[in-house]
Amino acid sequence: QKEVEQNSGPLSVPEGAIASLNCTYSDRGSQSFFWYRQYSGKSPELIMSIYSNGDKEDGRFTAQLNKASQYVSLLIRDSQPSDSATYLCAVLGEGDYKLSFGAGTTVTVRA
Amino acid sequence: ETGVTQTPRHLVMGMTNKKSLKCEQHLGHNAMYWYKQSAKKPLELMFVYSLEERVENNSVPSRFSPECPNSSHLFLHLHTLQPEDSALYLCASSQDGTGLVETQYFGPGTRLLVL
Repeated sequence: QKEVEQNSGPLSVPEGAIASLNCTYSDRGSQSFFWYRQYSGKSPELIMSIYSNGDKEDGRFTAQLNKASQYVSLLIRDSQPSDSATYLCAVLGEGDYKLSFGAGTTVTVRA
Repeated sequence: ETGVTQTPRHLVMGMTNKKSLKCEQHLGHNAMYWYKQSAKKPLELMFVYSLEERVENNSVPSRFSPECPNSSHLFLHLHTLQPEDSALYLCASSQDGTGLVETQYFGPGTRLLVL
């Protein structure tokens, strides 16, 4: 059973601060990692993907991957109220088509 | 908005009803998925189709019956559901269901309430 663990939150950060979200996974053979954002009542929306160790930056978002520690994180810089959502970590195994999702971390950015 | 659409967006049904959920993708993808999302739980994969062939049935009860007539359309037929089946049902698609860099794109979901 592949497991993906996230802190459920809620994570409350002031506007302009950095929000840091963490995710660990159990399958050491996992190769592809995704962060989805889901607004309340909406479907998940892909915001970042990462495949190799290190950092990947896209605008205010930075994904960090450490395969040795089986850990992937998402940083949101200069947090805005519009970033308030649930963030889902998803992991794809090697040669696999099944995404395993974490339960999500709810982020609230307070003005 | 994504290129994956779902209808209906909301559905209320009794336990004896039969209904169907529809998903259509306009992205030229070959793989389609059904997920169930219950409150405070991770997304649960239900079914996977690749090139119209079912490649995964994730121990889903037989009261859920998928159908994939072509690579652009996916249905989920529902009959004699239980109240605990109330959830958000999400459809997703990806390029071909294999490979290292597969990204799944989700539809808006159908919010189902079983009374």
